[in-house]
Amino acid sequence: GAVVSQHPSRVICKSGTSVKIECRSLDFQATTMFWYRQFPKKSLMLMATSNEGSKATYEQGVEKDKFLINHASLTLSTLTVTSAHPEDSSFYICSARSPQTDTQYFGPGTRLTVL
Amino acid sequence: GENVEQHPSTLSVQEGDSAVIKCTYSDSASNYFPWYKQELGKGPQLIIDIRSNVGEKKDQRIAVTLNKTAKHFSLHITETQPEDSAVYFCAASIRDAGNMLTFGGGTRLMVKP
Repeated sequence: GAVVSQHPSRVICKSGTSVKIECRSLDFQATTMFWYRQFPKKSLMLMATSNEGSKATYEQGVEKDKFLINHASLTLSTLTVTSAHPEDSSFYICSARSPQTDTQYFGPGTRLTVL
Repeated sequence: GENVEQHPSTLSVQEGDSAVIKCTYSDSASNYFPWYKQELGKGPQLIIDIRSNVGEKKDQRIAVTLNKTAKHFSLHITETQPEDSAVYFCAASIRDAGNMLTFGGGTRLMVKP
């Protein structure tokens, strides 16, 4: 099946710093990628939809200036958490849509801990 | 918007028994229903999906059924094994509309050896 990678898998940072998370589709080109946030023992919460070459569409309540998304190529989307605070600590997961199968494939997730 | 309800939230079965997880959705326009398995600390993995033009799909020990009239779909796992223990999520979306998924709340399945 299609493979999606995320980097890093874990990151610990200090309050006020910015953190960039990369999401790559390894064996297919993804015109659309999605970013989710997941709290412990909870379901996935969609943060934004990222289309290659255009601005991301953010879900209600998600601060676009805090969670910067860039989808510069058909295989790479990045999420930058700016001026991170402890409440931003969470599990962030990306997914990529395969245009061939119209199916979303998920990355392994990134555990962010803000001290 | 779409709303997906999933039941039960936790399910404990004995190894070898069957497990059934049920989901309902609200938007009759939804036509694509995937199921994901998520192990601790990992991303969701697609295990099976069904589109609205079929009522049932099977892949070895896993099957999914869809009732469009009642707007519900179910995951069936037969001959459960300890490695089936995980959190399972159902989702619904409208194909050709960006494929934005709406997830159910998840079911924690525990298979006791």
